Amino acid sequence: GENVEQHPSTLSVQEGDSAVIKCTYSDSASNYFPWYKQELGKRPQLIIDIRSNVGEKKDQRIAVTLNKTAKHFSLHITETQPEDSAVYFCAAGDYKLSFGAGTTVTVRA
Amino acid sequence: EAQVTQNPRYLITVTGKKLTVTCSQNMNHEYMSWYRQDPGLGLRQIYYSMNVEVTDKGDVPEGYKVSRKEKRNFPLILESPSPNQTSLYFCASSLEPRSSGELFFGEGSRLTVL
Repeated sequence: GENVEQHPSTLSVQEGDSAVIKCTYSDSASNYFPWYKQELGKRPQLIIDIRSNVGEKKDQRIAVTLNKTAKHFSLHITETQPEDSAVYFCAAGDYKLSFGAGTTVTVRA
Repeated sequence: EAQVTQNPRYLITVTGKKLTVTCSQNMNHEYMSWYRQDPGLGLRQIYYSMNVEVTDKGDVPEGYKVSRKEKRNFPLILESPSPNQTSLYFCASSLEPRSSGELFFGEGSRLTVL
């Protein structure tokens, strides 16, 4: 099955700086790569996703890049704000999604 | 309001006492799935269903059962709960059965098995 590794497990950034989270996956058949944000005590919510026929996607301060050859994808958050503090999960697959272990992001004011 | 509803939200039970966690969605989604969330392990898929009467195992199905008799409901059954099933459980649904698409999660059910 699919194996998704996510790094780093924790990330502390100064407000206004950028944050980058990286994930690798093992199954070359995976074609869907979403990112979920989970605030403390809340449910995960989709923030951005990318499919295998696209190399990069951007939505305001958030961007995701995908390298299918190397089997890795990354989340980039620019101009971080305190409300970006949360746990972020990457995932890979299709109708059967495998999630990474999560990255706890703390934005310092 | 479009939502995924899980019940109960919190439950403390004892080893071996059968329990069911219900999940219902009002978005007419074909795809539904159960995940468990444990510290340091992320979200692990237990079972998923691509349509009524169609279910399949995820990565950690042992000790769990599911059924999909109606499109809107996807209950998770623990026939004989054990302490290692203490976890936070999320039900999720999606409109796109073949490629998952955006998952809409329920609020979660925190289960403790003593």
